Amino acid sequence: DVKVTQSSRYLVKRTGEKVFLECVQDMDHENMFWYRQDPGLGLRLIYFSYDVKMKEKGDIPEGYSVSREKKERFSLILESASTNQTSMYLCASGWDEKLFFGSGTQLSVL
Amino acid sequence: GDSVTQMEGPVTLSEEAFLTINCTYTATGYPSLFWYVQYPGEGLQLLLKATKADDKGSNKGFEATYRKETTSFHLEKGSVQVSDSAVYFCALTPFTGRRALTFGSGTRLQVQP
Repeated sequence: DVKVTQSSRYLVKRTGEKVFLECVQDMDHENMFWYRQDPGLGLRLIYFSYDVKMKEKGDIPEGYSVSREKKERFSLILESASTNQTSMYLCASGWDEKLFFGSGTQLSVL
Repeated sequence: GDSVTQMEGPVTLSEEAFLTINCTYTATGYPSLFWYVQYPGEGLQLLLKATKADDKGSNKGFEATYRKETTSFHLEKGSVQVSDSAVYFCALTPFTGRRALTFGSGTRLQVQP
């Protein structure tokens, strides 16, 4: 089975902290994505990447950055966490009907 | 830009009832359309898809037909089960341009025994 693994299921951070959310996939996919999921808003695209060291902004990139140094790993970085970044973060890998999601990281910023 | 609109939930049904979850979209050209499902405590998984007008996607008793004339992709199931309780997301990818899914807001389905 394809696996998309997110490093933490739950995370609690303080306002102003730098936060790293890690995502690893084991199927040699070129495409990887970061979404945030909020009630009533669905999933919104933060950043995505089609290849190593390549990144593109999604619909809500403000306050976030990403890193993709290796094909299997796509990291989401909150440079200075704020309370409005409290959310469920979902990583995905692949494309079209072969798009697979991780189980998510619930981030709380206090 | 592209967008997906879903009916608000929660939708509460009794077991064996008929289900419809409405989904309409705004996009140029001919996007591909998807339904994803998120069961409690799990990640999203693809339920079904359709890539061109009049295509019908189906899986696990669920169906949805790509209607270009009404820009719709409504999800239906003839007889729901308690195990269908989940959040359902309608989504699209554009025919050209950014190759990433655009999701609707999600609809929570609760099926009571």
